[in-house]
Parts: sequence; C-alpha cells; structure tokens
Amino acid sequence: GAVVSQHPSWVICKSGTSVKIECRSLDFQATTMFWYRQFPKQSLMLMATSNEGSKATYEQGVEKDKFLINHASLTLSTLTVTSAHPEDSSFYICSAWGHISYNEQFFGPGTRLTVL
Amino acid sequence: DQQVKQNSPSLSVQEGRISILNCDYTNSMFDYFLWYKKYPAEGPTFLISISSIKDKNEDGRFTVFLNKSAKHLSLHIVPSQPGDSAVYFCAASENSGGYQKVTFGTGTKLQVIP
Repeated sequence: GAVVSQHPSWVICKSGTSVKIECRSLDFQATTMFWYRQFPKQSLMLMATSNEGSKATYEQGVEKDKFLINHASLTLSTLTVTSAHPEDSSFYICSAWGHISYNEQFFGPGTRLTVL
Repeated sequence: DQQVKQNSPSLSVQEGRISILNCDYTNSMFDYFLWYKKYPAEGPTFLISISSIKDKNEDGRFTVFLNKSAKHLSLHIVPSQPGDSAVYFCAASENSGGYQKVTFGTGTKLQVIP
C-alpha cells in the first residue's frame, strides 16, 4: 500500500507558540490531503480538506486562522497550529488521497501535540 | 449529528471465536464503506471495504456485510486472534467534489482473550 509519513510524531510546546506538522505522501502523488483530530476515546474528526495548489476547505467549527493548512505540492501538506493553547492538545492525523485508489485514503502515523 | 455510529464501545471475545463488530449509518448518500484498525498513538490501518452495490466482501478472516435497507454493516473476524485486539473504526464515504469524503464512527475496542 501507499505510504504517508508525518513529522514530528510527538511535540510538546509552550502555550502561545505555533507548531507546524508535516504530512508527506512518499510513493504517490496526493491530489487531496485530509487533516483529522482525535481526542482520547473519541472518533477521528475531519478538520479540513486540502487540494494541491488551492485553499483548504474547513469543516464547520474549525477555525481556519487557528489551523493553517498549506498544500503546496502533490506530496506535502502542512498543518500549523497557531498560538497553541492547552485545549489544542490532541492527536492529529493526516491522510492522503490520490488516483491510485479512488475509494481509499492512506493515513499517516499521527502527531501527538501537547501544549503546556 | 453522528452520521456513522458504533454503539458498542468495547467487545471481548475468546481467542478462536467469532468477533462481530456493528455499525449503523444515517446518510443515504454514502456509497462506500470501510473498516480501519487502529492502535493507540498510530494512524488507522485499512482493513476491508465494501461498495454500496454489494452486500458482502470477504478477505481471509475478515468479512464485511452490508444491509443497505437497514443502513447497517458489520465486520466479522473468524477465528479471532489476540493480535486482532485494537480499536476498529467503521467509516463511510461519499463523493464530494471529485474525491471521497470519509466519515468515521466512534470506534469499538476489541479485546481478544487468549
């Protein structure tokens, strides 16, 4: 199957700082990338969808100025959590979709963000 | 509004027996259904899927059944193995502007007891 990586896998930061998370598709071109957030013992909640070269589409309730998404190339999308606060602590997972499989998204391993 | 529901948050099964995980959905626009397996602090791993035009798909020990009229699907694992212990997410997708938008259920934690 296709491989998606995320970096970093775990980040701890102070409140008020910004954190950037990278998502890369390693062996295929990802036309569309998705960013999910998972709270403990809860489902994966879609935050936003980004198509290469265009602005991301955010789900209802997700602050676009808080969670900046950039999808500058077919293999890289970044999520920047700006002015992070403790309530932003969560597990962030990206997935990538490309024409190799219409129905399947390929998930990254996730990034654990802890804001102190 | 939870469009994909997994009403059992946890399930315990003896090794060698059958595990049945259930999922219900409300959106009739969903046309593809998937099951993912997830370990803590890892991304989901694709397990098996089924198109809305089918009612059964089998892959080794895993079988997914779809009942469209009841908007219900289930994942059967037989025989269950201790390595199957994980959280299983049911997911449903619909076409959204050229790609499939996926909605996840809340997950069922499966424990297979040796």
